[in-house]
Amino acid sequence: GAVVSQHPSRVICKSGTSVKIECRSLDFQATTMFWYRQFPKQSLMLMATSNEGSKATYEQGVEKDKFLINHASLTLSTLTVTSAHPEDSSFYICSASSIRGFGDTEAFFGQGTRLTVV
Amino acid sequence: KQEVTQIPAALSVPEGENLVLNCSFTDSAIYNLQWFRQDPGKGLTSLLLIQSSQREQTSGRLNASLDKSSGRSTLYIAASQPGDSATYLCAVIITGGGADGLTFGKGTHLIIQP
Repeated sequence: GAVVSQHPSRVICKSGTSVKIECRSLDFQATTMFWYRQFPKQSLMLMATSNEGSKATYEQGVEKDKFLINHASLTLSTLTVTSAHPEDSSFYICSASSIRGFGDTEAFFGQGTRLTVV
Repeated sequence: KQEVTQIPAALSVPEGENLVLNCSFTDSAIYNLQWFRQDPGKGLTSLLLIQSSQREQTSGRLNASLDKSSGRSTLYIAASQPGDSATYLCAVIITGGGADGLTFGKGTHLIIQP
């Protein structure tokens, strides 16, 4: 199956700094990528939908100025957590969709990034 | 390495039927298990989350069960409707929840015929 590579898998940063997470589709073109966040003992929550060449669509309650998403090519989307604070510590995971055939899509997921802000 | 398998890969049934989707995982040391639905071109919608200490969760017409010892979960959909057509994903989180904490199955592509 198709592969989505997410990097880094784990990052620890100081409060106030920014962290960039990359999501790459390795063997297919992903016009749409999704970013999720998961806090301990909670379900995955969709943060934003990233569309290549256009602005991301953010879910309600997600600050677009804090979580900057760039989808500059069909194989790369990045999520930058700006001025990170301890409450941003979470598990972030991306997903990319490959459209195969009419109305048939399959989603592939990165392995996730564990962000710890100290 | 944790592997999650979902059976069947695809299913097409007339509306009104009751359905069972299956999910199995190879390592029983899981933290919790989640069922998601994904519509074409959309992100994930979380349906049910079952903690490792629980045996089932219910939400409306959906019921998910978990048997950790046998490495199985089922998603039961009652009185299926065309709006239930989507891909259903099962995912487990391993104990400790490290960077490789989330393991997803490949999904069951469900079509409910009107």
